[in-house]
Amino acid sequence: QQQVKQSPQSLIVQKGGISIINCAYENTAFDYFPWYQQFPGKGPALLIAIRPDVSEKKEGRFTISFNKSAKQFSLHIMDSQPGDSATYFCAAGFEGGNKLVFGAGTILRVKS
Amino acid sequence: SAVISQKPSRDICQRGTSLTIQCQVDSQVTMMFWYRQQPGQSLTLIATANQGSEATYESGFVIDKFPISRPNLTFSTLTVSNMSPEDSSIYLCSVVSYEKLFFGSGTQLSVL
Repeated sequence: QQQVKQSPQSLIVQKGGISIINCAYENTAFDYFPWYQQFPGKGPALLIAIRPDVSEKKEGRFTISFNKSAKQFSLHIMDSQPGDSATYFCAAGFEGGNKLVFGAGTILRVKS
Repeated sequence: SAVISQKPSRDICQRGTSLTIQCQVDSQVTMMFWYRQQPGQSLTLIATANQGSEATYESGFVIDKFPISRPNLTFSTLTVSNMSPEDSSIYLCSVVSYEKLFFGSGTQLSVL
């Protein structure tokens, strides 16, 4: 009930391409879905987040798509750059960021 | 966003010893958490650090192993007690600020 499943485990994308990472959750009570970006030796940094009352949220090159009926959400990185190479975590929880459940993470490598 | 400082940033310890990790926030926050990130793994919530009272531990984590203090709204410590190599992980302090979860840069612990 509390799991968040993330895929793929790793991803290689050419510079300028689109990176897509998918997550699925089980608890229908969750109402807050953030994505975090983590560089080696650093803590995770909040990238973008969405609430279930909207189906899409865009911030710059980063877009979250949310499908409430399927209990799935995804991160799209448009025009991927080598500087985007990092580990990305999806999470699900409750408004306010309390007690988030994290996915397993996706290691993204953008080739120049 | 809140600025979170964690000390030490990394340490190498002998089995059977204990290490105390400090977390300082630049503003008063109500909610403060400690997470563990095992090598190549996702983030797992250890406990919620409650100001002025005992921490609330998640399933699989106990106070004797991970004692937590929170003397005020800007500071907390996590102690990893009687360490074994299985405790080698990154330990992350996190806080909720403006309804978003922010992380410190983490403490990378290696136990020999």
